[in-house]
Amino acid sequence: GQNIDQPTEMTATEGAIVQINCTYQTSGFNGLFWYQQHAGEAPTFLSYNVLDGLEEKGRFSSFLSRSKGYSYLLLKELQMKDSASYLCAVRDSNYQLIWGAGTKLIIKP
Amino acid sequence: GAVVSQHPSRVICKSGTSVKIECRSLDFQATTMFWYRQFPKQSLMLMATSNEGSKATYEQGVEKDKFLINHASLTLSTLTVTSAHPEDSSFYICSVAYEGRITEAFFGQGTRLTVV
Repeated sequence: GQNIDQPTEMTATEGAIVQINCTYQTSGFNGLFWYQQHAGEAPTFLSYNVLDGLEEKGRFSSFLSRSKGYSYLLLKELQMKDSASYLCAVRDSNYQLIWGAGTKLIIKP
Repeated sequence: GAVVSQHPSRVICKSGTSVKIECRSLDFQATTMFWYRQFPKQSLMLMATSNEGSKATYEQGVEKDKFLINHASLTLSTLTVTSAHPEDSSFYICSVAYEGRITEAFFGQGTRLTVV
């Protein structure tokens, strides 16, 4: 079956750096997405990786290794507003998004 | 600005009644829309793929007679939860895939359904 694993919850300190990992096993691969979801709200797009390597976008960066079925989302200079769930999603060979359960990130002052 | 508009954002209904949720694509025509359900602390679960002008494609385990989907135009898809039960209480989200370089999925604001 198809499976996406990411930690359930992480805690970090304001101003610090945190890395959220995601491993996947899917039927084919057509890109990996990271979304941010605040409680009770819909997900918002953060990043997209389809080739190996690091994609940087401001305070957020996302890394992909297709051979390892692995990605991470790196958040720098953490702010209180970054407290949210971070969802990893992989688009499979049928171009369907397969979602991880999300990582709840708690930011402490 | 918003790309996808979903309405209502919250609804409370009595058991046995039906609830309609609308999803509108604001910026572009969408031949395909997706309906998801999310229970607390769980992942987004795809319920069905809504295709304009044809029948929706439902995921395994999703009752098509209970969750009626209508995609009558290129900008509007509706999900009707019929004969709602308390276990249908959930967060329902629609999304539209924009066929650009990334084929990013844009999401509606979500609908919090509570069946009492």
